[in-house]
Amino acid sequence: GAVVSQHPSRVICKSGTSVKIECRSLDFQATTMFWYRQFPKQSLMLMATSNEGSKATYEQGVEKDKFLINHASLTLSTLTVTSAHPEDSSFYICSAPKAGLAPNNEQFFGPGTRLTVL
Amino acid sequence: KQEVTQIPAALSVPEGENLVLNCSFTDSAIYNLQWFRQDPGKGLTSLLLIQSSQREQTSGRLNASLDKSSGRSTLYIAASQPGDSATYLCAVNNAGNMLTFGGGTRLMVKP
Repeated sequence: GAVVSQHPSRVICKSGTSVKIECRSLDFQATTMFWYRQFPKQSLMLMATSNEGSKATYEQGVEKDKFLINHASLTLSTLTVTSAHPEDSSFYICSAPKAGLAPNNEQFFGPGTRLTVL
Repeated sequence: KQEVTQIPAALSVPEGENLVLNCSFTDSAIYNLQWFRQDPGKGLTSLLLIQSSQREQTSGRLNASLDKSSGRSTLYIAASQPGDSATYLCAVNNAGNMLTFGGGTRLMVKP
């Protein structure tokens, strides 16, 4: 399988600070990456689609100014949680489909980033 | 809007049992369906991917079936082991690689 990494794996920050999370596809290129959020004992909810070379597409109810996404290259997408608050504490996971632009590719997920906002 | 449901939400079985996890979805116009495993505090590990044109996929002790017309998939785990204990998630791809996840089944296999 393909490998997707995330950094950092865990971050604790004070309320009001901004936190950047990186998602990298290590052995393949990804023109599209996806960001999910998972609250304790719940399933994953899609936040946004990160597109290389263009703006991200956000799901309904997700504030684009709060969750800034930059798809800097074919192997890197970043999610910045701006002015984080305790309610933003969650497990953030990225994924990338391998092998091109076909709509039916297998998804590979990063190990996740645990964000705790004090 | 696609909705994915997994039953049961939790399952506890003794080691060695064969078991079936169920996943249902409301919109049958899917590209594929993927089963994942998630250990506590960890990311997702892809177990099996079934394309919309396929009926089943097998990997070791795992077998996943897909009945697209009825909106159902099952994950069959043979001869369960304590190491199989985890949360199992099914996810449906029906919009260009964007996945809709079910709520998961938390599996506990007791030695």
